Amino acid sequence: GNSVTQMEGPVTLSEEAFLTINCTYTATGYPSLFWYVQYPGEGLQLLLKATKADDKGSNKGFEATYRKETTSFHLEKGSVQVSDSAVYFCASKEGGKLIFGQGTELSVKP
Amino acid sequence: NAGVTQTPKFQVLKTGQSMTLQCAQDMNHEYMSWYRQDPGMGLRLIHYSVGAGITDQGEVPNGYNVSRSTTEDFPLRLLSAAPSQTSVYFCATGPLNTQYFGPGTRLTVL
Repeated sequence: GNSVTQMEGPVTLSEEAFLTINCTYTATGYPSLFWYVQYPGEGLQLLLKATKADDKGSNKGFEATYRKETTSFHLEKGSVQVSDSAVYFCASKEGGKLIFGQGTELSVKP
Repeated sequence: NAGVTQTPKFQVLKTGQSMTLQCAQDMNHEYMSWYRQDPGMGLRLIHYSVGAGITDQGEVPNGYNVSRSTTEDFPLRLLSAAPSQTSVYFCATGPLNTQYFGPGTRLTVL
């Protein structure tokens, strides 16, 4: 079946560093792709999404581009803040369901 | 407008006990789902519903029952708890392109 694979964490960065969290997917077609964020002790929140190839999703300084050639949807941010510390999940939409990656924990130090 | 609520927040059970995790939403969404979150495994879909009276199995349905008698409520039942069901459980609602997650229930089965 379809799957989503993320880079393993935890990722530890200093404040204002550049962030990349890799995500690749397998699918028979071109699924919609998502990044969700989970802050400590909370449920997941939708961060951004892209519904077709070459689309760029963006929100709160985060960006991700849907690249069908490499079946990837990497999450990037130019300058992270301590408040970005969270677990980030990549997901794809397959039929009537969402398929999630395993999550990548990000820790940003002052 | 409470969004998605889950009760209880924490629960400890003994092996073989039964319980029901509650999920309620006030956004009039047709789609509701239950996930479990385990370390290193991301979120895995247990059951989902596309409307009142309609439910279907997800990736890991064994040991769990659901029903959907109203649009607002989607309870998850554990008939005979096992230690393997120790996890954090999330309910989610809304269109798959924009899912809203509850705050979660942390369940421990001894």
